[in-house]
Amino acid sequence: GAVVSQHPSRVICKSGTSVKIECRSLDFQATTMFWYRQFPKQSLMLMATSNEGSKATYEQGVEKDKFLINHASLTLSTLTVTSAHPEDSSFYICSARDRGGASSGNTIYFGEGSWLTVV
Amino acid sequence: GDSVTQMEGPVTLSEEAFLTINCTYTATGYPSLFWYVQYPGEGLQLLLKATKADDKGSNKGFEATYRKETTSFHLEKGSVQVSDSAVYFCALSLNYGQNFVFGPGTRLSVLP
Repeated sequence: GAVVSQHPSRVICKSGTSVKIECRSLDFQATTMFWYRQFPKQSLMLMATSNEGSKATYEQGVEKDKFLINHASLTLSTLTVTSAHPEDSSFYICSARDRGGASSGNTIYFGEGSWLTVV
Repeated sequence: GDSVTQMEGPVTLSEEAFLTINCTYTATGYPSLFWYVQYPGEGLQLLLKATKADDKGSNKGFEATYRKETTSFHLEKGSVQVSDSAVYFCALSLNYGQNFVFGPGTRLSVLP
């Protein structure tokens, strides 16, 4: 079945540095990808919607200059956490919608998630 | 705003026990409802879904019925297995699987 791969699965970075998380659709094209964040014991919260070839749409309260999203191709979206701080430590997970649309059932596939720890 | 509430976990059951994980929602429109499962070290996987009132989603022995009158989508399984140990997320979407609103997740541990 369709697979979405995230990398890295775990990353530790120093406060003030930037870290990039990749989200790839491995066997389908995704015009739209979504980025979520999950704090401990809380739900997954949508951060932004990423459309191939255009600017991402951010949810209210998410800093677009801090969480840079690039969706340069139909199979890759990246999330860069800039000038990371300990409060950015969280579980980040992406999802991708199969470009096939209705013919593919408008199915959304999720990645494995990435644990970010900022020290 | 739209929201999803799930019973708090963790839930610990013995193998072959009956499982219910409660889920209720608040939505301004007519959402589609989903249950996702996350096994250790893996991404979210769609378990089942229902797109309109009274629909029943089912998969791998799990069932959930879309109850509009009670705004609920409770997950049930008659006989759980150790392999069902995972985190279960209830979710809604108002634009059919575009952006989701997730519940907090319920961790299920099944003991042999």
